[in-house]
Formats: sequence, C-alpha cells, structure tokens
Amino acid sequence: QSALTQPASVSGSPGQSITISCTGTSSDVGGYNYVSWYQQHPGIAPKLMIYDVSNRPSGVSNRFSGSKSGNTASLTISGLQAEDEADYYCSSYTSSSTQYVVFGGGTKLTVL
Amino acid sequence: EVQLVESGGVVVQPGGSLRLSCGASGFTFDDYTMHWVRQAPGKGLEWVSLISWDGGSTYYADSVKGRFTISRDNSKNSLYLQMNSLRTEDTALYYCAKDMVRGVISTASLDYWGQGTLVTVSS
Repeated sequence: QSALTQPASVSGSPGQSITISCTGTSSDVGGYNYVSWYQQHPGIAPKLMIYDVSNRPSGVSNRFSGSKSGNTASLTISGLQAEDEADYYCSSYTSSSTQYVVFGGGTKLTVL
Repeated sequence: EVQLVESGGVVVQPGGSLRLSCGASGFTFDDYTMHWVRQAPGKGLEWVSLISWDGGSTYYADSVKGRFTISRDNSKNSLYLQMNSLRTEDTALYYCAKDMVRGVISTASLDYWGQGTLVTVSS
C-alpha cells in the first residue's frame, strides 16, 4: 500500500486536458511544498516533470503544470499528445517515521 | 552530461546479501544527496534510502531499515547499497538517483536517474 494515493488510470483524447490527483496527509503533501511528479515510459527510467509542487525543470513542456490544495496535489497535462501516454508518479517529502520520501502508487495515462 | 550507472544486480537466494554500486559523472558528486529507488516487476516506484552529500545523514524506508545500508565514496564518485537478509519481496529494479538541490538534505526531487540494476531474490 503506497503512502500517497493516485487513481490507477486516467484517459483523454489528443488535445484535451487531464488532471491526476495525489492525496496524502498533513505529514507529507499537505504540510510541505515538496511535491514532485515523474513520467515513466515502459522500460525507461523515470523523468522529473514537476518539482516543489508547481515548478518545471528546464526542458519540460509548459503543457505540464502542478498545483496543491490541502492534502491533495494535482498534475495537469493540457493539449494531450500521443507521447504523453505513460505512467505518472507523485512523490513528497514526509515527516512521518524515519522515512524521507514517499511515492504514490502511479497512474497510467492512456491517450485515446 | 550527468550519468548514473548502476551495477551489481544478480540472482540471490533468500537470506543472502548483495552490494549494489552506482558510478556518477557529469556533476560535482560531493555536492548532492543521492537516493536509491526500486521498482518491483510490473509495480510502482518505492523510495528505498538516501544519503547526504557528506555521508553524515542517512534515511531508510521502513521496509528495508535494519537490513540495507547506504554509503558513498566521494573520492570515487560512487554510491553503494549493501543489502542483507534479502527477501523475495526485495526483487526489483534498483535505480540510483541524484537529488536536485544543494545545501539541504533533500526536497524529494530527483532530477537524474540511472537505468537501474535488477535484483532477483529467489531460491
């Protein structure tokens, strides 16, 4: 059981926008602005897409955006493209136990 | 160009031990916290451990605490994961990853990842 809760799957048509949620607690997502999002294509290492809730690393398309409200963070992808089809994972700093980072269970994005 | 190359993954019996290595290049290794993250076959990402830039701080997932030890050798630009008392549930692709920031232990943002090394625990 993952510490952060994501929907197992989402889908959208090319050109549409989709949003993936990531729900945690006040010990992680809700308590700190240290939420990241990763994209992973099959057989390839994850790629950082969003850090510190809403910042994009250099080279990441501005079609990807992040936000947070309370204990839930969100990743929005606008203008969906076929190459966006991948697994997406959220992660957060956590102050619970002696861990430091927790991941969500992942969301499979299907571009119809 | 940042490169992270993991090695050491093999098939090992339950209860056995293994040491993974990660060679780093393309950045100032001793400026950054480093992480290990694993992914069981067909499953999601699981954070395993981190070590601060100077080796002075280490953190572990509850699932590996007391069995795994993370370390680094800054003179060799290398990261390690000593894995003891291995269980079948430790079977996974193990990624080495670089933290994004300097000056703090981590903001949980991992900006570069290796391609992973596969550990299989099976009798």
